[in-house]
Amino acid sequence: DGGITQSPKYLFRKEGQNVTLSCEQNLNHDAMYWYRQDPGQGLRLIYYSQIVNDFQKGDIAEGYSVSREKKESFPLTVTSAQKNPTAFYLCASNSGPNNQPQHFGDGTRLSIL
Amino acid sequence: GQQVMQIPQYQHVQEGEDFTTYCNSSTTLSNIQWYKQRPGGHPVFLIQLVKSGEVKKQKRLTFQFGEAKKNSSLHITATQTTDVGTYFCAGDTSGTYKYIFGTGTRLKVLA
Repeated sequence: DGGITQSPKYLFRKEGQNVTLSCEQNLNHDAMYWYRQDPGQGLRLIYYSQIVNDFQKGDIAEGYSVSREKKESFPLTVTSAQKNPTAFYLCASNSGPNNQPQHFGDGTRLSIL
Repeated sequence: GQQVMQIPQYQHVQEGEDFTTYCNSSTTLSNIQWYKQRPGGHPVFLIQLVKSGEVKKQKRLTFQFGEAKKNSSLHITATQTTDVGTYFCAGDTSGTYKYIFGTGTRLKVLA
């Protein structure tokens, strides 16, 4: 069954700690995305990747880092530099530009201890 | 920078009433997509519009793309409790990978 898998579902971060959110897709999609959603808010783009070994900053990239070493995987690291990381993080993928719908994972809810 | 606003932010309707959400972009869009997010869930793609003035229907849902390609609307006829959720529009200005999501309209349907 094709789809996007995000893990973990819930994550707690201590002050000064880096944490990594996993995103894996088996849809053979070239493009992958990370969004942040705050309560009652829309989705804001953190990073996106059009192809393996390439990624671009979105609107709120500060305090985050990503890698795209494999087509199927696009992990997001929330660094200690991100002072307000509590949010719902959504990973998405699509087959490329020009009107392609995005498929989303179930999300990871990150909280500060 | 580019902004995509949606109104209203919240809407409560009685079951059977109609509902409309409006999406407005500060810049011309090459296309627009609509997504629905159920409470506690993730956004699910509904439809995309590409042409100026385009109208598409999905059962009780009607989607429109403005003539100037800077605004769009979603209209639901005779709402049902299954329509509950947040509706987002997402616009792309240049046929690239980068979509800007609207602020969303949260719909609550009272039985």
